[in-house]
Amino acid sequence: DAEITQSPRHKITETGRQVTLACHQTWNHNNMFWYRQDLGHGLRLIHYSYGVQDTNKGEVSDGYSVSRSNTEDLPLTLESAASSQTSVYFCASRKDRGGTEAFFGQGTRLTVV
Amino acid sequence: KNQVEQSPQSLIILEGKNCTLQCNYTVSPFSNLRWYKQDTGRGPVSLTIMTFSENTKSNGRYTATLDADTKQSSLHITASQLSDSASYICVVSAEGNNRLAFGKGNQVVVIP
Repeated sequence: DAEITQSPRHKITETGRQVTLACHQTWNHNNMFWYRQDLGHGLRLIHYSYGVQDTNKGEVSDGYSVSRSNTEDLPLTLESAASSQTSVYFCASRKDRGGTEAFFGQGTRLTVV
Repeated sequence: KNQVEQSPQSLIILEGKNCTLQCNYTVSPFSNLRWYKQDTGRGPVSLTIMTFSENTKSNGRYTATLDADTKQSSLHITASQLSDSASYICVVSAEGNNRLAFGKGNQVVVIP
């Protein structure tokens, strides 16, 4: 079965370190998204991609970057981790625009100490 | 201002009882609305999708309604079970836009 997987599931890192969270989907979806989920805020869009070599900033993109070198993967990089980036991160993918369902990964809980 | 507002923020219900969750949105032009269920420690999973022409849609014990005129949706859970304890997130898509507008979720706790 097709799926979307994130790794690692949990990570603790120190302030100032560079961290990369992996996202891999096997649906061959063009559209991929990264969200963070914090208490009281719900899911907020960090970055998104509509296809290979395409990346776009979301509403909370400062301090994050993504790259899309193939259809399956959209890694999220925290350039210099800050305590404010402690959160649960979700990757999602959709086949196309409009009403198609977004499929979410299991999430990565990141703690910056 | 958030384009999707959900209420109540949280509720506790007894096993076997019914409950209704509300979602109000301002997203325009409207394309569709989905209710997602998010279990603790898991990613959200779609329960139902509502398009402009649909008023009611059921998925087992879950029934979603949509009033596109008032821009309101509800999710009704019938005969709640312990496994219904989760966050229910209302997600709205705009026509011609690949972005999704998320509500903050309704946190439901079912107790025996």
